Amino acid sequence: KQEVTQIPAALSVPEGENLVLNCSFTDSAIYNLQWFRQDPGKGLTSLLLIQSSQREQTSGRLNASLDKSSGRSTLYIAASQPGDSATYLCAVYTGANSKLTFGKGITLSVRP
Amino acid sequence: GAGVSQSPRYKVAKRGQDVALRCDPISGHVSLFWYQQALGQGPEFLTYFQNEAQLDKSGLPSDRFFAERPEGSVSTLKIQRTQQEDSAVYLCASSPDRYNEQFFGPGTRLTVL
Repeated sequence: KQEVTQIPAALSVPEGENLVLNCSFTDSAIYNLQWFRQDPGKGLTSLLLIQSSQREQTSGRLNASLDKSSGRSTLYIAASQPGDSATYLCAVYTGANSKLTFGKGITLSVRP
Repeated sequence: GAGVSQSPRYKVAKRGQDVALRCDPISGHVSLFWYQQALGQGPEFLTYFQNEAQLDKSGLPSDRFFAERPEGSVSTLKIQRTQQEDSAVYLCASSPDRYNEQFFGPGTRLTVL
């Protein structure tokens, strides 16, 4: 059974800091991995999708990497801003079934 | 363009009532997913449709939960005889196909009293 872990559960950093959010998964036979952002009381906003054949994806200040063999992904946020404060979730899709398996998320707070 | 929409955004039900939650996916998206998110947790898969066919309902927690997508676009998640443990946010997502990026709606927050 696929399990996705995100540690720590919460993180607080000063504005301007570069930071890395970690995600690990137990079954390396994934089809893709997706990073999402969730603001309080809102749905999920897709940030980046990495296919299993890819090593990384970039969008603006965000860079996500994937090491499938070790079961890890990282989301790098450059020059963090207070507007980046949210919960960040990673999810993996194995393809063998139909679902995304999610971690519990990391709640990020960027202090002005 | 329009994203995934869900209605109602909030629903309060008395225990034992039936509820129906609606999802309007992105136009043309073949795949539609329902997830349940408890407070402080990541979303948990409920069911998956490819067009009008429900191909996976392994995540539905009991036979009180029923989902349909009769014309391959709008989907409805129905919960019969609601119980307090059904209180959660119900998220709908759609995708061009199941191997592609999933786009989520804002969710319906269900509170069962």
